[in-house]
Amino acid sequence: SQTIHQWPATLVQPVGSPLSLECTVEGTSNPNLYWYRQAAGRGLQLLFYSVGIGQISSEVPQNLSASRPQDRQFILSSKKLLLSDSGFYLCAWRFPLLGQYFGPGTRLTVT
Amino acid sequence: SQQGEEDPQALSIQEGENATMNCSYKTSINNLQWYRQNSGRGLVHLILIRSNEREKHSGRLRVTLDTSKKSSSLLITASRAADTASYFCATDYAGNMLTFGGGTRLMVKP
Repeated sequence: SQTIHQWPATLVQPVGSPLSLECTVEGTSNPNLYWYRQAAGRGLQLLFYSVGIGQISSEVPQNLSASRPQDRQFILSSKKLLLSDSGFYLCAWRFPLLGQYFGPGTRLTVT
Repeated sequence: SQQGEEDPQALSIQEGENATMNCSYKTSINNLQWYRQNSGRGLVHLILIRSNEREKHSGRLRVTLDTSKKSSSLLITASRAADTASYFCATDYAGNMLTFGGGTRLMVKP
């Protein structure tokens, strides 16, 4: 069966520090992968998606970047965090015809 | 922009009652998906309904889709305290991406 992992689960970082969040998927190959951000009490905003290694599409201009160095690995990064980057970051993969499935998320607090 | 909007934003019911949440969207879709999110947790996929389907069931969940009205509803029958969560609809209109609404916060009181 397919599973999706995210780490870390929680993270507190100072403004201006770098960020690296990792997402890995098991049990599938060549998945479509997605990064979302959820502000407190709000819906999800799509940040990036990837249809293959090295292929990244950005949905909103921002302080963040994404990379896909391996088929089942998706990384969200920032060189310098802003206060507005705080939120709940969710990785998802798309199972054709069945929908998108989400990881457990990373709660990021920028102080 | 293409977006699902849930209604109501918050709903409080007694255990055993039915809960109905609605979702409206703006343009044609491939499918619509409903998710549940417990506080501080990831999203759990509940049901996907395709644009050519009108109704789908899964356990105590019933989802309807009316493409002429561009709306969907999620019915939870015989609710339980464990159903307390936020529920989101998401529309798939481009084949690769979902657009989420702001969610309905459901509180089921024991």
